[in-house]
Amino acid sequence: DTGVSQDPRHKITKRGQNVTFRCDPISEHNRLYWYRQTLGQGPEFLTYFQNEAQLEKSRLLSDRFSAERPKGSFSTLEIQRTEQGDSAMYLCASRFMGRDRQFFGPGTRLTVL
Amino acid sequence: DAKTTQPNSMESNEEEPVHLPCNHSTISGTDYIHWYRQLPSQGPEYVIHGLTSNVNNRMASLAIAEDRKSSTLILHRATLRDAAVYYCILRDGAGGTSYGKLTFGQGTILTVHP
Repeated sequence: DTGVSQDPRHKITKRGQNVTFRCDPISEHNRLYWYRQTLGQGPEFLTYFQNEAQLEKSRLLSDRFSAERPKGSFSTLEIQRTEQGDSAMYLCASRFMGRDRQFFGPGTRLTVL
Repeated sequence: DAKTTQPNSMESNEEEPVHLPCNHSTISGTDYIHWYRQLPSQGPEYVIHGLTSNVNNRMASLAIAEDRKSSTLILHRATLRDAAVYYCILRDGAGGTSYGKLTFGQGTILTVHP
């Protein structure tokens, strides 16, 4: 059981830089979610993919954020021109079609200085 | 998604049962009740879910009130590894454009004392 993996686990960047995170879901899972979690809060939904199609984006996903899932397998989340307010844990989750349970990765902790 | 209300924190002693309450008075007929937990420095982890009937699995039990306006997650014998934030979440099972996303509240911080 390989689980959901995320890379990197930690990222420190300077304000204004671009960052990209990667999520590898469980191999047979065709549904993929990105969430963001700030300190002391529960995770907040960012975006959803069904296979390679991005079907839903939260209002939290400003135009500086872009997510892709080019072949319906791994996904990337890019943040351009990072701001200090982007500092958070970015979580990826996946699930199999027809099943309710979401499997979460360990997250990528972003710190913007 | 309908909202849930949980206590901010609860405490328990090791090897004792823990009952974590959740109120969801505006639940709709198609909402499933999900519980996830998040251990320190980890992503959330699925615990259990149900619709109307009580549910049991190897991790916990879920007791759902007859009117479905509240539910209780039961950990039968708490261990130190159960110390986590527990989230009660309603997920619309009617399909449409919810796409199964989870709407987390602030959850209940469970402290387990040795």
